[in-house]
Amino acid sequence: EVELVASGGGLVKTGGSLRLSCAASGLTFTSAWMSWFRQAPGKGLEWVGLIRSAINGGTRDYPAPVKGRFTISRDDSQSILYLQMNYLQVEDTAVYFCGADLSDNSYPVDYWGQGTLVTVSS
Amino acid sequence: DIVMTQTPLSSPVTLGQPASISCRSSQSLLHSDGHTYFSWLQQRPGQPPRLLIYKISQRFSGVPDRFSGSGAGTEFTLTISRVEAEDVGVYYCMQGSQFPWTFGQGTKVEIK
Repeated sequence: EVELVASGGGLVKTGGSLRLSCAASGLTFTSAWMSWFRQAPGKGLEWVGLIRSAINGGTRDYPAPVKGRFTISRDDSQSILYLQMNYLQVEDTAVYFCGADLSDNSYPVDYWGQGTLVTVSS
Repeated sequence: DIVMTQTPLSSPVTLGQPASISCRSSQSLLHSDGHTYFSWLQQRPGQPPRLLIYKISQRFSGVPDRFSGSGAGTEFTLTISRVEAEDVGVYYCMQGSQFPWTFGQGTKVEIK
């Protein structure tokens, strides 16, 4: 059974940094394309970024609101996905979810993990 | 960016009756590789989203066959043939054909 568990959320001041982790199990992590998403309180879903598998170059894509501030990385030896968030703003307050794409067929996301709450205060 | 617009935003339904949700994209979602990367997600209260349908009409593993997807180009529909109590939640459409990936606003399905 695929399991994705995000952690590392918490309360941070504007301008601060935080690193989230997503521990994956039940999948071949090395071949999975991994993503981060977020959901502000009471709001809809927003894509935060993608990192491809190493065999596909390990390249990354980000949407404009986080590009240059957020960095996705992965440790394939530990099956852990990371999200380094810098220069945090109040509007970054959200529950952050990680997602996995295990198959080209059901791209872009097959499985979603439990989220972790990030609160940015001024 | 591709804008995804869902209707309705709220759908009170009677148990055992059908329900449908529409999603319109601001541009065609047909990718240059010939596939349309359009998905439907379900988010039950307090839970992360769950993939229901991918590539417009393909049911994901473990998804009951009362859920079906249809559409093409810019117009898509999710149909629940007979709503059950466990179907309560918010349903989102999502496109992965073009970066940035974008979502509809969500449709809340509740029991009358």
